[in-house]
Amino acid sequence: GAVVSQHPSWVICKSGTSVKIECRSLDFQATTMFWYRQFPKQSLMLMATSNEGSKATYEQGVEKDKFLINHASLTLSTLTVTSAHPEDSSFYICSARRGTENTEAFFGQGTRLTVV
Amino acid sequence: RKEVEQDPGPFNVPEGATVAFNCTYSNSASQSFFWYRQDCRKEPKLLMSVYSSGNEDGRFTAQLNRASQYISLLIRDSKLSDSATYLCVVNYNTGFQKLVFGTGTRLLVSP
Repeated sequence: GAVVSQHPSWVICKSGTSVKIECRSLDFQATTMFWYRQFPKQSLMLMATSNEGSKATYEQGVEKDKFLINHASLTLSTLTVTSAHPEDSSFYICSARRGTENTEAFFGQGTRLTVV
Repeated sequence: RKEVEQDPGPFNVPEGATVAFNCTYSNSASQSFFWYRQDCRKEPKLLMSVYSSGNEDGRFTAQLNRASQYISLLIRDSKLSDSATYLCVVNYNTGFQKLVFGTGTRLLVSP
């Protein structure tokens, strides 16, 4: 399968600081990338859908000013958690698709964020 | 109604058992469906796509019922290594494509 690399795999930061997470498709061009958040023992919750060269589409209840998404190229999307708080501590996962429809998505390894 | 619904389980089965999971979806215009597997604290990995005609991959069989808007996953001859959470994923077109996950069904296979 295709390779999606996510970095960092874990990060601990102080409350009030910002954290940037990168998601790269290594061997294909990703027209669409997705960002998910997963709390312990819960399912993945879609946060936003990111299309290359355009603004991300956020799911209801997700603050776009707090979770900044940039998809400047076909191989890179970034999620920045701004002014992080302890309640933002979670597992953040990105996924990427080759095509625009009916194709499976490949996931990054996830980033475990802990805000102290 | 949730976009994608699954029984969270857990399903506790002995080795060698056959187990089936169902998943229902609310958007009748959904076009593509997948089963992913997620191990604890890991990212989801694609198990199989679900085609209209149904498909089989070794011990795993996936079925799609568009009329009733559900998909199923059947696992035969369960192995200990099958213990994981199985995620039902539906592709929606709401003006743009997005993948929506069910809550996942946890499977525990015991010796």
